[in-house]
Formats: sequence, structure tokens, C-alpha cells
Amino acid sequence: GNSVTQMEGPVTLSEEAFLTINCTYTATGYPSLFWYVQYPGEGLQLLLKATKADDKGSNKGFEATYRKETTSFHLEKGSVQVSDSAVYFCALIPNSGNTPLVFGKGTRLSVIA
Amino acid sequence: NAGVTQTPKFRILKIGQSMTLQCTQDMNHNYMYWYRQDPGMGLKLIYYSVGAGITDKGEVPNGYNVSRSTTEDFPLRLELAAPSQTSVYFCASSYKGALRNTEAFFGQGTRLTVV
Repeated sequence: GNSVTQMEGPVTLSEEAFLTINCTYTATGYPSLFWYVQYPGEGLQLLLKATKADDKGSNKGFEATYRKETTSFHLEKGSVQVSDSAVYFCALIPNSGNTPLVFGKGTRLSVIA
Repeated sequence: NAGVTQTPKFRILKIGQSMTLQCTQDMNHNYMYWYRQDPGMGLKLIYYSVGAGITDKGEVPNGYNVSRSTTEDFPLRLELAAPSQTSVYFCASSYKGALRNTEAFFGQGTRLTVV
């Protein structure tokens, strides 16, 4: 079946540190891949996406590259800020079949000044 | 520019009461979803729909019902509310087709407390 595995949190970093949140997936065919962010007390909003192999999604200094060979979509940011503290969700939607969006369990990031 | 609209934003129910959470989208998306998110936890899929007239169970459907009579609307019905249904509920929609898939767009959530 289709599934997404994210690294367990919480992750605590100092401001300006480098961030990596690992995400690997299992899916039939070539799914579209997404990272969502949820700030405290809010809903989910799309952070970035990639729809085919080797695509790089980027937004607000975050990047993730669709790696078909390793079935991964790791989220990275070179220098985190306190305002990046949030929960990050990796997700996929399969390109075939009537199957729904699949989320990882989420990774909570806390950035301290 | 509305996107996905959920109502109400907050609700307190007594055990055994029923209610309907409303969700509507204006993006002509074929897929719609209902998730619940318990405190400090991830999202659990309750029900989803791939188009008008079609609904399917997700991971945690017990205690809930849905209908999809139109493309725009996907209400979630809670019958006989229980404390275990205290959660934040999110509705989402996306488009999935032969040539393209969009990301999912989320509503702002409904915070439900059952006492």
C-alpha cells in the first residue's frame, strides 16, 4: 500500500542551525509529494511540493528534492528561525487509482533563540 | 477566494448529542477529506470522497457518517457524541486527474469538545 514515514520528533534546534527532516515513502507508480506546515493553533498549509522525480520544491528557504531511487523527500533549511517552530507533515498522493492523500505522522520542530 | 470553508469553528457537545460539521469548497475539486487531529498527534483520516455520490472509509470511521451529494459540500455527521470524539477536525479538498494532481487545501478546523 501507500505510506509515508517521517523521522520522529520533537526536534529542537538553535536559531540559525541547519534543519533536516527525513521523509521516505512507499507508493505504486510515481506519486506527487508534499510538505505541509502547521503553526500552533492553525490548520495545515502547503509548504512545498514536487510532482516528478528529481523535482526540487522550495519555499521560504525550505527545500526538498524528489528522489525516486531512494524513495525520499527530505525537508531541509540552511538556517532556521524561531518563527519556523511548527509541526511539519510529509504527504503523498498516488498518481493512479482512487486512493486518498496519505500523511506521515508529523515532526514537531522547536527553534530556540 | 474562499477555498475550503468549515463551520462551526468551535463547539461543545454533551455526550449522546449529534451534530453536523459543514465543509464546502469552491475550487471544483473532486477529492474531499475529513481528518481528526488529537492533541499533539498527527492526522487520522475519517472518511474521504473521490467525487459526488462516492464516499469511502478512512482509518477511523466509527461514530461518523458522511455524504457527498454535490461536488462542493462534504458534511461530517457525528451521531451519539462520545468523549473520545473530542478533537480538532479538518476538512480538505484536492484535485486528482489523469493529467495533474493538486495539493490538498485545508479548512481552518473545528475544535470539538464532548463533555
